[in-house]
Amino acid sequence: AQSVTQLGSHVSVSEGALVLLRCNYSSSVPPYLFWYVQYPNQGLQLLLKYTSAATLVKGINGFEAEFKKSETSFHLTKPSAHMSDAAEYFCAVSVRNNDMRFGAGTRLTVKP
Amino acid sequence: GAVVSQHPSWVICKSGTSVKIECRSLDFQATTMFWYRQFPKQSLMLMATSNEGSKATYEQGVEKDKFLINHASLTLSTLTVTSAHPEDSSFYICSARPEISNQPQHFGDGTRLSIL
Repeated sequence: AQSVTQLGSHVSVSEGALVLLRCNYSSSVPPYLFWYVQYPNQGLQLLLKYTSAATLVKGINGFEAEFKKSETSFHLTKPSAHMSDAAEYFCAVSVRNNDMRFGAGTRLTVKP
Repeated sequence: GAVVSQHPSWVICKSGTSVKIECRSLDFQATTMFWYRQFPKQSLMLMATSNEGSKATYEQGVEKDKFLINHASLTLSTLTVTSAHPEDSSFYICSARPEISNQPQHFGDGTRLSIL
């Protein structure tokens, strides 16, 4: 069965600093990988997805992620954090676009 | 873009009541929909996979008699929490998978269920 592990339940950065949220996956078959953002009391918003095309995936709001098979990683980055980026971020994996398995989530705090 | 509507967004009811949550795909058909549960400050946990015209597939540990799922059409799946108790209070989120296989699932905005 597929799974993801998010390293770090809480990440804090200063406004303008690099954002790096870590995600490692486990899957016996080529996975689809996703990053979602969730604001308090709201649903999920898709930031970006990897579905076996380009390994460097660009998403919305300046986020991007790189699929590294050798490291089984799919880390999320943004060059310059903005206050509005403060939220909960979830990495997720699915096989053949079936049910998703989510990581535990990483809460991003952005300091002024 | 593709939209999934979930209703109601918030419900408060007394213990013992049954509560129905609807998940609709507004501009696409979805043979498969998924139901997730999220406790405060925790991740989403898959409860069941809803298949149009057939029985839902439940994850281990999810009581199928407690959480009834009906997927009667290609645009609607419902989750009924039967005889709800305070421990059923949670955030329930549905997603719908478009028929085009490589399109991502689209999530509803969730339903916050509070059982008194």
